Amino acid sequence: EAQVTQNPRYLITVTGKKLTVTCSQNMNHEYMSWYRQDPGLGLRQIYYSMNVEVTDKGDVPEGYKVSRKEKRNFPLILESPSPNQTSLYFCASSSGTAEAFFGQGTRLTVV
Amino acid sequence: GENVEQHPSTLSVQEGDSAVIKCTYSDSASNYFPWYKQELGKGPQLIIDIRSNVGEKKDQRIAVTLNKTAKHFSLHITETQPEDSAVYFCAASPLGGNQFYFGTGTSLTVIP
Repeated sequence: EAQVTQNPRYLITVTGKKLTVTCSQNMNHEYMSWYRQDPGLGLRQIYYSMNVEVTDKGDVPEGYKVSRKEKRNFPLILESPSPNQTSLYFCASSSGTAEAFFGQGTRLTVV
Repeated sequence: GENVEQHPSTLSVQEGDSAVIKCTYSDSASNYFPWYKQELGKGPQLIIDIRSNVGEKKDQRIAVTLNKTAKHFSLHITETQPEDSAVYFCAASPLGGNQFYFGTGTSLTVIP
């Protein structure tokens, strides 16, 4: 079954404690990206990757890092989380010519 | 960059009625326009999409129209059912890229 898997689904952490949200896809897609979803703001792209070792900033990259060492994985790293990064995060993958497939989401709370 | 505006933010309709959601975009380079449905606790899922060389596309009760000149596109759902209740997002993207620009979403409620 084609899917994008994110972990964890829920995460509560404290300010400044580094965390990683993992994302894996089984569709051999070149493109992967991370979004955050906030009420009234829709989905905003954080980072995207067009292939292994190729990443670029989206609209709201501040405070986030990503890496693409393997085609199937695209982890999102928050080196020093702050409360304004409390949000619902989605990973997505696509072949670049059609629809993006989204993961189930990770609800992050930073206290 | 691209700016996508979506209206209305909330929409309530009686079961069986039609629902229309409208979006505008700013970048004439955008040429792929997908619509996503997000149910509670789930990630967005594609329901229909349209490319800039097409003016209208239909899939059963769902249709999308695109006006490139005016830079707007709309989602039409006919004969709405309670299971259509969800948040709907429009998006615009240059085909072949990984940049999707989303609208702010429309929360649709279908009243039985």
